[in-house]
Amino acid sequence: DTGVSQDPRHKITKRGQNVTFRCDPISEHNRLYWYRQTLGQGPEFLTYFQNEAQLEKSRLLSDRFSAERPKGSFSTLEIQRTEQGDSAMYLCASSLLAGGRNEQFFGPGTRLTVL
Amino acid sequence: AQSVTQLGSHVSVSEGALVLLRCNYSSSVPPYLFWYVQYPNQGLQLLLKYTSAATLVKGINGFEAEFKKSETSFHLTKPSAHMSDAAEYFCAVSDWSGGSNYKLTFGKGTLLTVNP
Repeated sequence: DTGVSQDPRHKITKRGQNVTFRCDPISEHNRLYWYRQTLGQGPEFLTYFQNEAQLEKSRLLSDRFSAERPKGSFSTLEIQRTEQGDSAMYLCASSLLAGGRNEQFFGPGTRLTVL
Repeated sequence: AQSVTQLGSHVSVSEGALVLLRCNYSSSVPPYLFWYVQYPNQGLQLLLKYTSAATLVKGINGFEAEFKKSETSFHLTKPSAHMSDAAEYFCAVSDWSGGSNYKLTFGKGTLLTVNP
């Protein structure tokens, strides 16, 4: 049983560059979530998908952020024109919606540093 | 909107001592509550969850938590701390939509240090 995987684990970029992160959920899971965690804080919800449909986006997700989940499998999170304030750990989680329980399993995260 | 408050950003205990990490929540509907643990440079691992069944919930690694509706609390305890318990712990509450829970709202976390 493979868990949630994320790639890359670390990304260093210069301000103004675009970056893209990938998340591969647990294979049978139909829900996929993105969270952002800054230093000293708990994770904050960004967006989630049920299958390929993006059902909610947080106000934290500015126009520079876009997420996709084509075919309801893996997901990508792209940040355009990165800013230093985007430096954070980006966490992906997946769950199987069944009986309303929806336990979320987290990946190891992608740590983004914007110089 | 739901919210979580974790009292104490840093808790230090001796090995073998009781661990008590505090969590209070705010929710307009019966909540689902969770405790997650995060080791350095890793993702979050679920310790335990409350989903409206038994109020005393047992989790992995000897941890347990008690849901107290009257106090809106869900404190995490472990009778005897091990060095391997040193990590950051997050309490979370789940929002509801369309008859199912989905996004998690986390507290700011409590860093647990275990002294030999």
